Amino acid sequence: KNEVEQSPQNLTAQEGEFITINCSYSVGISALHWLQQHPGGGIVSLFMLSSGKKKHGRLIATINIQEKHSSLHITASHPRDSAVYICAVTPYGNKLVFGAGTILRVKS
Amino acid sequence: DTEVTQTPKHLVMGMTNKKSLKCEQHMGHRAMYWYKQKAKKPPELMFVYSYEKLSINESVPSRFSPECPNSSLLNLHLHALQPEDSALYLCASSQSSNQPQHFGDGTRLSIL
Repeated sequence: KNEVEQSPQNLTAQEGEFITINCSYSVGISALHWLQQHPGGGIVSLFMLSSGKKKHGRLIATINIQEKHSSLHITASHPRDSAVYICAVTPYGNKLVFGAGTILRVKS
Repeated sequence: DTEVTQTPKHLVMGMTNKKSLKCEQHMGHRAMYWYKQKAKKPPELMFVYSYEKLSINESVPSRFSPECPNSSLLNLHLHALQPEDSALYLCASSQSSNQPQHFGDGTRLSIL
């Protein structure tokens, strides 16, 4: 079993829809990260969370430490949000442990 | 524009060639990382440098040789690679181990 599990693996949404991507982890962590990767490679760090909730524009990330669960929400989705969203955790030191990623496609 | 710059963006090399990948950041970050990413898979950590010293080597074959000449630069020297080493190689940096990592756009490497 992977230490970080994401769902769904693939998600297709219509422009304007509210989107939720889930992440569960099985190890103790110091932080959880949500990353975005567009086709062609570059990865952008969206959020780093150790508790509670963070918001940046149309993106909201929450974490429940007791339940070892995090969600990434996108409000009013747009085709430019189409990307791979990766959940990663920092269980120790400076190693990131990655989930498999969620491929999001937003259709106009 | 990314704050972590990787060169080259694309590299094609034969199995007997020697080449180097370069990564540069000017954010004053003291931790730098090399990752390998195969298609449709998450990145896999290869090496971590902390304060210019190698702190993590994830059992990477010796045909990959990292180097950190100073706090802004990270190199990955390649020699006698195999076709299965074809992948996207990503560099990242962070202020410290508990800070977000900033990624470069990667070098797409193809081994003939």
